[in-house]
Amino acid sequence: DQQVKQNSPSLSVQEGRISILNCDYTNSMFDYFLWYKKYPAEGPTFLISISSIKDKNEDGRFTVFLNKSAKHLSLHIVPSQPGDSAVYFCALNGGTSYGKLTFGQGTILTVHP
Amino acid sequence: GAGVSQSPRYKVAKRGQDVALRCDPISGHVSLFWYQQALGQGPEFLTYFQNEAQLDKSGLPSDRFFAERPEGSVSTLKIQRTQQEDSAVYLCASSLYGLSSYNEQFFGPGTRLTVL
Repeated sequence: DQQVKQNSPSLSVQEGRISILNCDYTNSMFDYFLWYKKYPAEGPTFLISISSIKDKNEDGRFTVFLNKSAKHLSLHIVPSQPGDSAVYFCALNGGTSYGKLTFGQGTILTVHP
Repeated sequence: GAGVSQSPRYKVAKRGQDVALRCDPISGHVSLFWYQQALGQGPEFLTYFQNEAQLDKSGLPSDRFFAERPEGSVSTLKIQRTQQEDSAVYLCASSLYGLSSYNEQFFGPGTRLTVL
């Protein structure tokens, strides 16, 4: 019973093009949505977030979109750079007062020069 | 260092052995989380501390898993009588505030546990 799904295990993109990573969830209790980036042998690092009262949040090359009716979250990276190659996790918070996160399985992004 | 640190980084245990994994959170951070990340999966919540109080241990998979944070800073995750299915990366995260759904969690590099 996975509440959060990232259906694409991997994504390969050419440098300079757009990368789109997707995340679907089932439980309406989630009210805060985050993307984390992870390099090998390191812990996840926070990238960008959005609360349920918004449908878009932008930070430089990174934009997160939230479609609550579809229970769908996406991360757009444009333009993509080779240094963006990493594993990306969506992480959702809801149902607790202290920020317990429920993660997707991750998508491996490879950006080719 | 300014970040979350974990030790050891790698641990190999024979089945049935007890292990202890340490987490040093960012100084002053009230909240501390433990997550378990199996190969090819995302991190899964194990337990949560607010200062020294363990407020949620709903994610601990069995009574062989035990966590403590006695002085509200360093935390230890102990696994007794390790089994092969315990093999995973154990991640610790801390955040500045306690009762807040919206504060960023900072993760350590993890401890990779392999049970033979």
